[in-house]
Amino acid sequence: GIQVEQSPPDLILQEGANSTLRCNFSDSVNNLQWFHQNPWGQLINLFYIPSGTKQNGRLSATTVATERYSLLYISSSQTTDSGVYFCVQEIQGAQKLVFGQGTRLTINP
Amino acid sequence: NAGVTQTPKFRVLKTGQSMTLLCAQDMNHEYMYWYRQDPGMGLRLIHYSVGEGTTAKGEVPDGYNVSRLKKQNFLLGLESAAPSQTSVYFCASRETGTTIYEQYFGPGTRLTVT
Repeated sequence: GIQVEQSPPDLILQEGANSTLRCNFSDSVNNLQWFHQNPWGQLINLFYIPSGTKQNGRLSATTVATERYSLLYISSSQTTDSGVYFCVQEIQGAQKLVFGQGTRLTINP
Repeated sequence: NAGVTQTPKFRVLKTGQSMTLLCAQDMNHEYMYWYRQDPGMGLRLIHYSVGEGTTAKGEVPDGYNVSRLKKQNFLLGLESAAPSQTSVYFCASRETGTTIYEQYFGPGTRLTVT
């Protein structure tokens, strides 16, 4: 089945730093999505990005479908960026999502 | 518009006890899902439904049953709870033909089985 691998598993940074999170996937990309799970467990949609680049404020994402990876960039990190970031793919036609293991980001003041 | 709600938010069960988790959505979505999240992991699909009266197995269905008698509700049942079912359970819903970006998640139910 589809494998979604994320790196690094953990990342600890000071406020104001920039970070890059990576997602590799084993099959052709279908409906790739980045989620943020905040420290209270809430899941928040960040980007739907099966290909190309999108930006939303301090966050941006790029997916290179031909090379089967996606990157999430966070600039000028804030403590509210802390949490776990998940890369998720959909098994097309099966209504099923495959989650990566996540990257736990901790931003210290 | 409350979105996706889950009841209860927390529960502690003893091994062998049964319980039902309720998921409700007020967006008239066709598709509903139950996931579990274990520590340090992403979500895994337990069961899902593509419409009222239908259910299907996901990735980890063993030990769980589901029912979708009403379009707005999706129930997850544990007939005989086991410590391996200690997890956080998330419900989600989405409309037909939409992308996963438009999948809405509930706040989660934290279940502990002792």
